[in-house]
Amino acid sequence: ELKVEQNPLFLSMQEGKNYTIYCNYSTTSDRLYWYRQDPGKSLESLFVLLSNGAVKQEGRLMASLDTKARLSTLHITAAVHDLSATYFCAFQGSGYSTLTFGKGTMLLVSP
Amino acid sequence: NAGVTQTPKFQVLKTGQSMTLQCAQDMNHNSMYWYRQDPGMGLRLIYYSASEGTTDKGEVPNGYNVSRLNKREFSLRLESAAPSQTSVYFCASTSGTKDTQYFGPGTRLTVL
Repeated sequence: ELKVEQNPLFLSMQEGKNYTIYCNYSTTSDRLYWYRQDPGKSLESLFVLLSNGAVKQEGRLMASLDTKARLSTLHITAAVHDLSATYFCAFQGSGYSTLTFGKGTMLLVSP
Repeated sequence: NAGVTQTPKFQVLKTGQSMTLQCAQDMNHNSMYWYRQDPGMGLRLIYYSASEGTTDKGEVPNGYNVSRLNKREFSLRLESAAPSQTSVYFCASTSGTKDTQYFGPGTRLTVL
């Protein structure tokens, strides 16, 4: 069965702090995605991770993939208010043509 | 490029009414998807079309039908709406099933 577990589901941070969101998935995966969703808006693609050890960075966000542990992380460095959003991970199981999404992590960054 | 467009943006239905949600993309993508998003549930796949002329069920297809009208358009139909179908519906498209999905703005549906 294809399952994705994200944690935490809610994260309240102070500006300037660092934190990590975890995404565990259930089977071997062809690829792992991270998306961002602002309140009332659509989903925006942030990263796609294709292979074991892959690391991608964009500004204060860095995503990594460990296929042996079936784990991806999204690390936030020196958080700012503009990063407040809900972050979803989604994986594509090997041999599957669809994505399975996690429940999302709602991130709130306050001064 | 408009990307992925969805109509309507908002809709209120009474139980038992029917309606069709429209989705169109102008990126020449082959694959299109319909999801629903409910609080605390993430996105769940309803139906998808890997290529023009094909459709397949996703995780939660009951109560829905789809039509891939042509390469650009993929519609979702609710034949007899139920309150459990109150949700936000997203359409997405991608050039291939192993490529990044691009999402439309969503349709907020309330069934009374």
